[in-house]
Amino acid sequence: AQSVTQLDSQVPVFEEAPVELRCNYSSSVSVYLFWYVQYPNQGLQLLLKYLSGSTLVESINGFEAEFNKSQTSFHLRKPSVHISDTAEYFCAVSPIYNQGGKLIFGQGTELSVKP
Amino acid sequence: GAVVSQHPSWVICKSGTSVKIECRSLDFQATTMFWYRQFPKQSLMLMATSNEGSKATYEQGVEKDKFLINHASLTLSTLTVTSAHPEDSSFYICSAGREATGELFFGEGSRLTVL
Repeated sequence: AQSVTQLDSQVPVFEEAPVELRCNYSSSVSVYLFWYVQYPNQGLQLLLKYLSGSTLVESINGFEAEFNKSQTSFHLRKPSVHISDTAEYFCAVSPIYNQGGKLIFGQGTELSVKP
Repeated sequence: GAVVSQHPSWVICKSGTSVKIECRSLDFQATTMFWYRQFPKQSLMLMATSNEGSKATYEQGVEKDKFLINHASLTLSTLTVTSAHPEDSSFYICSAGREATGELFFGEGSRLTVL
């Protein structure tokens, strides 16, 4: 079985400040890792994912996440946030044998960017 | 643009009535779709895996007779909340996997309010 823990339920930051949203997972098998973003009353949008290869993955809007196998973590970072980054962020894992299959989500982290 | 579409995006119904939510993959075929439920300020909980041409696989604790899932075609899965009650009020989200690439796409979600 897999589980995902997002250590912070809420993260308030000021605009242009750096931010890190923490994610740790537990799994007895190898997993794929994902970060999704959810704006109010909307579905989820994929932000970035780690499947294999380089442990540092980047999104097109400046976010990055690093897969750390020894610490079973996949923290999300952005060096300078914008007001528009305000949203709920979910970390998720999927067993590699279940490609394209169901995801196990963390509890979510509400990122609130203030001017 | 959206590759998975849900309809309706929001619905209000009276207690005791049934509500059907549709999930469509717009530009690919999905033999498997997933239905999630999200309570306010909480994460997504997988309800069931919808398999085209066969019965859905429900997660533990999800009432099969209350949440009827039908996957009639490779592009359409439906979730019917039968005899809805106020405690069924929630945000329901579907997802579909594009098997060729292993990508998982989410619908925009459907907010159900039962009065």
